Amino acid sequence: TQLLEQSPQFLSIQEGENLTVYCNSSSVFSSLQWYRQEPGEGPVLLVTVVTGGEVKKLKRLTFQFGDARKDSSLHITAAQPGDTGLYLCAGEMKTSYDKVIFGPGTSLSVIP
Amino acid sequence: NAGVTQTPKFRILKIGQSMTLQCTQDMNHNYMYWYRQDPGMGLKLIYYSVGAGITDKGEVPNGYNVSRSTTEDFPLRLELAAPSQTSVYFCASSYPLGRDYEQYFGPGTRLTVT
Repeated sequence: TQLLEQSPQFLSIQEGENLTVYCNSSSVFSSLQWYRQEPGEGPVLLVTVVTGGEVKKLKRLTFQFGDARKDSSLHITAAQPGDTGLYLCAGEMKTSYDKVIFGPGTSLSVIP
Repeated sequence: NAGVTQTPKFRILKIGQSMTLQCTQDMNHNYMYWYRQDPGMGLKLIYYSVGAGITDKGEVPNGYNVSRSTTEDFPLRLELAAPSQTSVYFCASSYPLGRDYEQYFGPGTRLTVT
């Protein structure tokens, strides 16, 4: 079972469209991160959100952390082919040791 | 800075063979990690290390071993390769978890066991 769920699993859209992808869990996280992974490469960090309700913007990308710190969303405005990739969310949990759990990812394809 | 480097990029193993995946980082990070990535399953933590001489198991450690003799290097050893170990393996490094935490990933090793 996945501690972190992401939806949709796959998304194919036309250039210029808007989209939102979601990251959900029943667990509370100390922080949540979004990574983007391009084919044949490792993930690269986009943003970290820490406070419940926090919103961060990175150019055309808007990230929100849920009030209860159990979920997050990533909204892309006017998607471009360069946005194509696998978007992974990762939650930090404070248990017997600090650990980070990755979701399964949303694979985004932006068609020119 | 080269960041995190991994070798080899690709490898095909026969069942029962052994190999070591190499990982080196030049950012003086204390924390290092090994993940495997299977389609639709995200990244699963195999082993991690919080410093030289200290290693611990992650979510899926069976069939793997690690060592951390230096800050820079964190090799992953497969002793008796099995088809279930076919995957893409990523090494990562970071400073300790905290407000500015970020994992830096290597380019990955694609392993096929047949």
